[in-house]
Amino acid sequence: QVQLVESGGGVVQPGRSLRLSCAASGFTFRTYAMHWVRQAPGKGLEWVAVISYDGRDKYYVDSVKGRFTISRDNSKNTVYLQMNSLRTKDTAVYYCTKGPPDDFWSGYYPYWGQGTLVTVSS
Amino acid sequence: DIQVTQSPSTLSASVGDRVTITCRASQTISTWLAWYQQKPGRAPKLLISKASSLEDGVPSRFSGSGSGTEFTLTISSLQPDDFATYYCQQYSSLLYSFGQGTKLEIK
Repeated sequence: QVQLVESGGGVVQPGRSLRLSCAASGFTFRTYAMHWVRQAPGKGLEWVAVISYDGRDKYYVDSVKGRFTISRDNSKNTVYLQMNSLRTKDTAVYYCTKGPPDDFWSGYYPYWGQGTLVTVSS
Repeated sequence: DIQVTQSPSTLSASVGDRVTITCRASQTISTWLAWYQQKPGRAPKLLISKASSLEDGVPSRFSGSGSGTEFTLTISSLQPDDFATYYCQQYSSLLYSFGQGTKLEIK
C-alpha cells in the first residue's frame, strides 16, 4: 500500500533554513507528481508546491516563491522541500501528498503522510 | 488564481440530522472539486472527488453535487464519527486551493 513518511521538521529561528524529506513506497514513485500541503496551527489547509514526475516542472504558492524549493530523487523514492529564509508565518504541519493511481499529475489527494511540524520562532 | 469560499465556518448539529456544506469557486472549475474530512491531529481523509464521486470505503450517507462554481457536501444522517472539520478543494488549475473549512460540532 502507498506510504508517505515525512521527516525533517523541528524548531528553527526566523531567517534560517530547513529541509523536509518525504520517503515514498508502495507505488512507482518515478511516474507520479508529488505535492506538499501545509496547515498552520488551528488553521486550514494550504497547497504549497508540486513537482512533476521527472523533476522538470515545479510550481509554488506565491507566499513561498523564491524561498522554498521542491526537488526529488527518483533513485531514493524521496521528495524534498528546501525551505530558506523561514518566517514565523511558515509555522505549520507540512504534509507530503500524492494523487490517485490512475492520474500521474492530479491535484487531489487520496494519499497523505502523517505530517511533520515546522516551528519558526526566535 | 481561483479562490474557494466555504460556508458555514461552523455548523452545530445532532446525530441523525441532515447537513449541507457549500463551496463556491471564484471561477468555473467544471467538476474538479474534492471534499476532505479531518479530525484533530490527523491528516485529512479524501471523501469525494470530481464533485460527486465517493471514494471507496466512504459511507453512502456522504454525497457531493454541483458543477461550475457552486458545490455541496451533504451528510444525510449524521453519525457520531462524522463530527470533524470538512474542507473542499479545487484542482482545476494551479494553485490547488482549499476552502477555509467547516467545523461540524455536536449540538
